[in-house]
Amino acid sequence: GAVVSQHPSWVICKSGTSVKIECRSLDFQATTMFWYRQFPKQSLMLMATSNEGSKATYEQGVEKDKFLINHASLTLSTLTVTSAHPEDSSFYICSADTGANEQFFGPGTRLTVL
Amino acid sequence: GIQVEQSPPDLILQEGANSTLRCNFSDSVNNLQWFHQNPWGQLINLFYIPSGTKQNGRLSATTVATERYSLLYISSSQTTDSGVYFCAFGTALIFGKGTTLSVSS
Repeated sequence: GAVVSQHPSWVICKSGTSVKIECRSLDFQATTMFWYRQFPKQSLMLMATSNEGSKATYEQGVEKDKFLINHASLTLSTLTVTSAHPEDSSFYICSADTGANEQFFGPGTRLTVL
Repeated sequence: GIQVEQSPPDLILQEGANSTLRCNFSDSVNNLQWFHQNPWGQLINLFYIPSGTKQNGRLSATTVATERYSLLYISSSQTTDSGVYFCAFGTALIFGKGTTLSVSS
């Protein structure tokens, strides 16, 4: 199957700082990538759809000024959590669409904001 | 929006047992996929199955799109099968709440 990487795997930061998470498709090009968030013992919730070369589409209730998404190339999308606060602590997972309507997921990034 | 219900929410099995997990949808869906989330959080693609039946080793899946449900069969379960199983659908995937499977030896 297709391989998607995510970096970093985990990050701990102080409240008020910004954190950038990278998502890369390693063996295919992805016009569309997605960002999800998962709180403990819960399901994945879609945050935004990231399209190469255009603005991301955010789900209702997700602040676009807080969660900045950039999809500058066909293999890289980044999510920046700006001015992070403890309530932003979560497991962030990206996925990439292979173009055949099937998505493959990165290993996730565990964010802890102190 | 479309509602998705996964059952059972939790399942405890002895190694070697078989199980069936189910997803029901409130309306027609497309791009249905099944995933296994391992204890480290990695989502592993099991099946892309908008309709029909597929098999991969001990796992198989069936989607009956006209009746709005999908089934995941696990045969001869192993401890490594433990984790959470999700069904999801759509272009930007909408996930069910998952079935947490625990297999003991």
